[in-house]
Amino acid sequence: DADVTQTPRNRITKTGKRIMLECSQTKGHDRMYWYRQDPGLGLRLIYYSFDVKDINKGEISDGYSVSRQAQAKFSLSLESAIPNQTALYFCATSGNRVSNQPQHFGDGTRLSIL
Amino acid sequence: KNQVEQSPQSLIILEGKNCTLQCNYTVSPFSNLRWYKQDTGRGPVSLTIMTFSENTKSNGRYTATLDADTKQSSLHITASQLSDSASYICVVRETGANNLFFGTGTRLTVIP
Repeated sequence: DADVTQTPRNRITKTGKRIMLECSQTKGHDRMYWYRQDPGLGLRLIYYSFDVKDINKGEISDGYSVSRQAQAKFSLSLESAIPNQTALYFCATSGNRVSNQPQHFGDGTRLSIL
Repeated sequence: KNQVEQSPQSLIILEGKNCTLQCNYTVSPFSNLRWYKQDTGRGPVSLTIMTFSENTKSNGRYTATLDADTKQSSLHITASQLSDSASYICVVRETGANNLFFGTGTRLTVIP
């Protein structure tokens, strides 16, 4: 089984719909992150969490919200989806308080907003 | 402004050939630089990390270099294989604020 699991892997929905992307991890890491990846752009940080119920905004948090109710789970919500939120979304985890630890990524959720 | 720039944007090479990918950054203060490999349809996976005091580090057929003075890093792939076809992403960590800065990646295609 994958260490970082994202569901769903693909989602097509309509403008205005509420969408939730789920991320779960078995690595025991406290730190979790949500990124989006667009063609021609680097990964951009949406939100991150260093512990249960700890929530921090990233570079592009507008239009998104997150929830961290358990150490192993970090969910991303789009309250009212819009077409420019069409992108590839990645969840990642990292080791605790050590700056040279890598981030461990899930395999992404491809989201299309029509 | 903290930035990470990678070149080339894309590259096609024959199987068995060598190639070098470049990463230039302006991130300061610098903590470390990491190269990730991202296969199509998968998340990025770490290949290697370079800290300020390291000039060269190898991981199998992958060799990364770092020149902290000129703020440049390279990833050299030796004797390329079809499985090397992927995007390679350079990520620089800033000291203190602990922010990460991502390059846009180099898309490598290895053809038989």
